[in-house]
Amino acid sequence: QVQLVQSGAELRKPGASVKVSCRPSGYTFTGYYLHWVRQAPGQGLEWLGRINPRTGGTHLPPKFRGRVAMTGDTSNSVVYMELTRLTYDDTAVYFCARLGDNSNNHLDFWGQGTLVTVSS
Amino acid sequence: QSVLTQPPSVSGAPGQRVIISCSGDTSNIGDNSVNWYQQLPGTAPKLLIFGDSQRPSGVPDRISGSKSGTSASLAISGLQSEDEADFYCGAWDDNLNGLIFGGGTKLTVL
Repeated sequence: QVQLVQSGAELRKPGASVKVSCRPSGYTFTGYYLHWVRQAPGQGLEWLGRINPRTGGTHLPPKFRGRVAMTGDTSNSVVYMELTRLTYDDTAVYFCARLGDNSNNHLDFWGQGTLVTVSS
Repeated sequence: QSVLTQPPSVSGAPGQRVIISCSGDTSNIGDNSVNWYQQLPGTAPKLLIFGDSQRPSGVPDRISGSKSGTSASLAISGLQSEDEADFYCGAWDDNLNGLIFGGGTKLTVL
């Protein structure tokens, strides 16, 4: 069965960086795009971008370009999302999710989420 | 402020039917598929409807989706207490060239 397992909760100070991992299983790693979505406490969903695990190519919204990096390791079937220059507003649960297909742009399987807390 | 507009909350009694709306424009809902996600408290979102009206395996047929023009709707009939959750619509936006979500709707089963 398809599963996406993420790394554990992180606590960082403002200005620091954080790197979250997402390890899919149950399907061909290079066969599906992976997206990252975050959710601040009590708020809605915000898209951070996507990565093609086969090529390493990424697509990020302008808001996060220069501050978010997404990478993939095909040898170990894991993707990473790194967020730099953290501020208090980056406190959120970060999810990775598999793109079901490009025609509908739906996210069919999600990781359990990783809480990133930014606090001094 | 979300690009897709949803009501903050809806409610209904057990057994009743509720509808959650999602309003957008021609660059998103009008030109691309709408997907719906259910998020139970403290858990990750779960895909409920994709491609405007298709149900993934395991989603009961009392849950349905539809779209007309630049608006979409999620209908849940035969309400059950376990349906209490937050619901989000999502779609690709051609102008923003990215994935967007509605602000979410909290469903309360009375």
